[in-house]
Amino acid sequence: QVQLVQSGAAVKKPGASVKVSCKPSGYSFTTYHINWVRQAPGQGLEWMGWINPYNGNTNYAQKLQGRVTMATDTTTNTAYMELRSLRSDDTAVYYCARYHYDILSGFSYWGQGTLVTVSS
Amino acid sequence: QSVLTQPPSVSAAPGQKVTISCSGSSSNIGNNYVSWYQQIPGTAPKFLIYENNQRPSGIPDRFSGSKSGTSATLGITGLQSGDEADYYCGTWDSSLSAVVFGGGTKLTVL
Repeated sequence: QVQLVQSGAAVKKPGASVKVSCKPSGYSFTTYHINWVRQAPGQGLEWMGWINPYNGNTNYAQKLQGRVTMATDTTTNTAYMELRSLRSDDTAVYYCARYHYDILSGFSYWGQGTLVTVSS
Repeated sequence: QSVLTQPPSVSAAPGQKVTISCSGSSSNIGNNYVSWYQQIPGTAPKFLIYENNQRPSGIPDRFSGSKSGTSATLGITGLQSGDEADYYCGTWDSSLSAVVFGGGTKLTVL
């Protein structure tokens, strides 16, 4: 069965960077884009962008352009999301997700989430 | 401020039916498929509906989806206490080239 397993919680200081990993299993890694979605405490879902593991192409949410980098390692079938220049409002649970068929069909598989806390 | 608009909360008694609306525009709902998610606090979202009205395997037919113009609706019949959760709609926005979500609706089963 399809599973996405993420790295553990992190606590970072303002201005630092964080890198979250996501390791899917149960399907061919390069077949589906990996998306990242975050959720601030008590808030809704915010899409951050996707990466195509087949060719490394990315599409980032405009709000995060310049601060976020998504990458994949096809030797270990792992996806990464790095967010730089962290601010307190980046405190959130970060999810990786795989869509059902394509980007228009919604996200059928989600990681368990990684809590990133930004605090001085 | 979310691109898609949902009511903050809805409520109904066990066994009753409830609908949750999701309003957008021609650049998102009007020309793209809508999906719906259920999220119990502290857990990852669960995929409920895709392509406006399709249920993934394992989702009971108590859950239904529909779309008309620039709005979509999630319906839940035979409400159970386990349905208490936050519900989100989502779609692709062709103008933003981004996935957009509604702000979420908290369902309370009275």
